[in-house]
Amino acid sequence: AQKITQTQPGMFVQEKEAVTLDCTYDTSDPSYGLFWYKQPSSGEMIFLIYQGSYDQQNATEGRYSLNFQKARKSANLVISASQLGDSAMYFCAMREDLSGGGADGLTFGKGTHLIIQP
Amino acid sequence: GAVVSQHPSWVICKSGTSVKIECRSLDFQATTMFWYRQFPKQSLMLMATSNEGSKATYEQGVEKDKFLINHASLTLSTLTVTSAHPEDSSFYICSARGTSGRTYEQYFGPGTRLTVT
Repeated sequence: AQKITQTQPGMFVQEKEAVTLDCTYDTSDPSYGLFWYKQPSSGEMIFLIYQGSYDQQNATEGRYSLNFQKARKSANLVISASQLGDSAMYFCAMREDLSGGGADGLTFGKGTHLIIQP
Repeated sequence: GAVVSQHPSWVICKSGTSVKIECRSLDFQATTMFWYRQFPKQSLMLMATSNEGSKATYEQGVEKDKFLINHASLTLSTLTVTSAHPEDSSFYICSARGTSGRTYEQYFGPGTRLTVT
């Protein structure tokens, strides 16, 4: 079974609209972290936002917020007021076993290709 | 923020040769570094985890004799693709984890694009 599922291979959104990118995850660890990364065509991985499994509040970073629904195992990324520069691949990722030191690498979803149209 | 560099940024080599990719943490000490591979239009797949001074831990299905990883210092890890073949052509990305203990502190390098002809 996939650990990270991103069901939207591609999305077209009008500039200035809000965008929600879906991510569901699967883990039996009580302690885990969820990440969102942006990958423009240059290939670099840009960290956007992080949510810990024990965090009580949804994470926010500027225009990015993470809609964390633990019971549903969902960690959707919300981008408010989208901009042309937001066009890129977006990956949801998870790291498990944080209580054990969290030394493991990240497991990534397949990504969503977001295109912002003027 | 913390900076991770990779060298080279792209490389073309002939089939059968070996290629070494360097991953450096420029302004922090990285106790753990990770190597990922990304095929075109696909996701990143973790290949191995390297800890300074010890042997790397490889993910299932990754040949340790083909992808040699050395993490000799707290700022440098290297990935050597031995006897490269065209199917090894891919985008290789490293990430480094610092020593401050924050769970989200993992910084990615810019990646190395390998083409084997």
